[in-house]
Amino acid sequence: GEDVEQSLFLSVREGDSSVINCTYTDSSSTYLYWYKQEPGAGLQLLTYIFSNMDMKQDQRLTVLLNKKDKHLSLRIADTQTGDSAIYFCAERGSNYQLIWGAGTKLIIKP
Amino acid sequence: DAGITQSPRYKITETGRQVTLMCHQTWSHSYMFWYRQDLGHGLRLIYYSAAADITDKGEVPDGYVVSRSKTENFPLTLESATRSQTSVYFCASSDTVYGNSPLHFGNGTRLTVT
Repeated sequence: GEDVEQSLFLSVREGDSSVINCTYTDSSSTYLYWYKQEPGAGLQLLTYIFSNMDMKQDQRLTVLLNKKDKHLSLRIADTQTGDSAIYFCAERGSNYQLIWGAGTKLIIKP
Repeated sequence: DAGITQSPRYKITETGRQVTLMCHQTWSHSYMFWYRQDLGHGLRLIYYSAAADITDKGEVPDGYVVSRSKTENFPLTLESATRSQTSVYFCASSDTVYGNSPLHFGNGTRLTVT
């Protein structure tokens, strides 16, 4: 069935780049998303990429899509303490519903 | 205020009791969703609704009931709460399920079933 996998934790030093990885299974996915969840809050859309793109950049965020390997990554440049959150990868599956990864908790070390 | 609001933020109930979680959105979005979030599972879809009076099951619907008599409200009822339903519940809405239309989430309801 359709599945999205991501590591549960990532620890980086403040000022370094963070790279959060995600793999998905549905090759027919049209859009892939990154959502951010801060403590005690709901999820907010961070960025998305259309399946015909390889890369999308938005200020400190870079999304890379490798369709052959069904691999999606989110790079956060110059990671700050405010980036501490859980990051969810999601794909829009064949029935138009979102299929979610388990979320990666980004931990920032001073 | 515009947005999507959930109530209550926290709820403790006993096994076997009925409990209703409320969700209200002010955007007139067609689609509304209920998810539960459990550690290691990410988000799992319970029910969704494409419009008023149209609802459908998601991945984990057992033990839950929804209704949508008005576009802006989408309550979730646990008919007879069980400990396995202890979770954080998120309501979300979107204009469409096509394209890059994002989901807008409420801040969640943390439910504990004792």
